[in-house]
Amino acid sequence: EPEVTQTPSHQVTQMGQEVILRCVPISNHLYFYWYRQILGQKVEFLVSFYNNEISEKSEIFDDQFSVERPDGSNFTLKIRSTKLEDSAMYFCASSEARRDSPIAKNIQYFGAGTRLSVL
Amino acid sequence: AQKITQTQPGMFVQEKEAVTLDCTYDTSDPSYGLFWYKQPSSGEMIFLIYQGSYDQQNATEGRYSLNFQKARKSANLVISASQLGDSAMYFCAMKDFYAGGTSYGKLTFGQGTILTVHP
Repeated sequence: EPEVTQTPSHQVTQMGQEVILRCVPISNHLYFYWYRQILGQKVEFLVSFYNNEISEKSEIFDDQFSVERPDGSNFTLKIRSTKLEDSAMYFCASSEARRDSPIAKNIQYFGAGTRLSVL
Repeated sequence: AQKITQTQPGMFVQEKEAVTLDCTYDTSDPSYGLFWYKQPSSGEMIFLIYQGSYDQQNATEGRYSLNFQKARKSANLVISASQLGDSAMYFCAMKDFYAGGTSYGKLTFGQGTILTVHP
């Protein structure tokens, strides 16, 4: 069964360093998302991406964050200068662009996450 | 703005019994989707079941069913015949469907309910 793959599973970095979290979405999916989950808290939306551009972003997704689809398979989240409060589990998700009904489900399938620890 | 509320921080159930996990929501959009995800201790987010706001029948997927009461804005998950492997965090989530009928937007999550299944 196709799945969303995220690497690495755990990333440890020093405050102020840049990190890149990588995701390989499901191959026929066209919509991509990043979410984060701070330990013990609910999952929060960061950004959605379609047709090589950001379609929506939250207030969390400030200038320190960027996303990119560098090739036909990878989808990355970059944090330019990490802060202690960026420590969280980061989830990548993808959904297909179904147009077979006006209210298509477009279920988002999640990867296993990357746990980012900023020291 | 969308809001999801899960009022049960933790639930306990005996193996083979049924359990209901509560979820209430608030939105001003007439078209929306409701989702349940399971997060085991390993951390990944697993899609369980979907309910559309205009669906006439309650959704079912194997042992999972969704008790959708639109007037009360509730979308409770019912797990029948609980198994030890059902022990996990369960998240209710929703997505408004934008004008024009697309549904590629962000998910808004509730706080989650930790389910423990006792042998």
